[in-house]
Amino acid sequence: GDSVTQMEGPVTLSEEAFLTINCTYTATGYPSLFWYVQYPGEGLQLLLKATKADDKGSNKGFEATYRKETTSFHLEKGSVQVSDSAVYFCALSERSNYQLIWGAGTKLIIKP
Amino acid sequence: DAGITQSPRHKVTETGTPVTLRCHQTENHRYMYWYRQDPGHGLRLIHYSYGVKDTDKGEVSDGYSVSRSKTEDFLLTLESATSSQTSVYFCAIRPTGEGEQYFGPGTRLTVT
Repeated sequence: GDSVTQMEGPVTLSEEAFLTINCTYTATGYPSLFWYVQYPGEGLQLLLKATKADDKGSNKGFEATYRKETTSFHLEKGSVQVSDSAVYFCALSERSNYQLIWGAGTKLIIKP
Repeated sequence: DAGITQSPRHKVTETGTPVTLRCHQTENHRYMYWYRQDPGHGLRLIHYSYGVKDTDKGEVSDGYSVSRSKTEDFLLTLESATSSQTSVYFCAIRPTGEGEQYFGPGTRLTVT
């Protein structure tokens, strides 16, 4: 079945560092891909999405490109801030049933 | 803001008691979901609904039931709560689109 694999955390970076959180997927069809963010004590927020190959989703300085050839959707940010500390989830949605398949989440810690 | 509220936000209950959690949306979306989030397990789908009185099971539905008598409300009931149901419960809605879901703030349930 479909699955999403994220790099294990926690990922600890200094402020202004470059961020990459890896996400790879397996899917039978042509899924849409998502990144969600969860700040401490809060619900999940949609951060960005991409719906077809080579699409780039972007929001709040974060970017991710839908790479069909490598089945990847890595999250990147050029300069992280302490306020970016959160748990980040990668997810996919197959068009057959629109159920979300979730990665395990990656905790990001940014130190000042 | 997706207009989703959950109640209660926190609840402590005893083993064997019934518990009902409520999810309310203001935008009349057809699809609604209940998830639980536990350390080490990520997000797991309990039940979902695709319309009034139309519901189906997710991957961890045992011990839970749901009801949807109005478009705006989706109720999750634990008929006889157990300690293994201590968790954070999230409700989500899915607008028609590319499969993204929008989440409520969550309910933290503790079963003692």
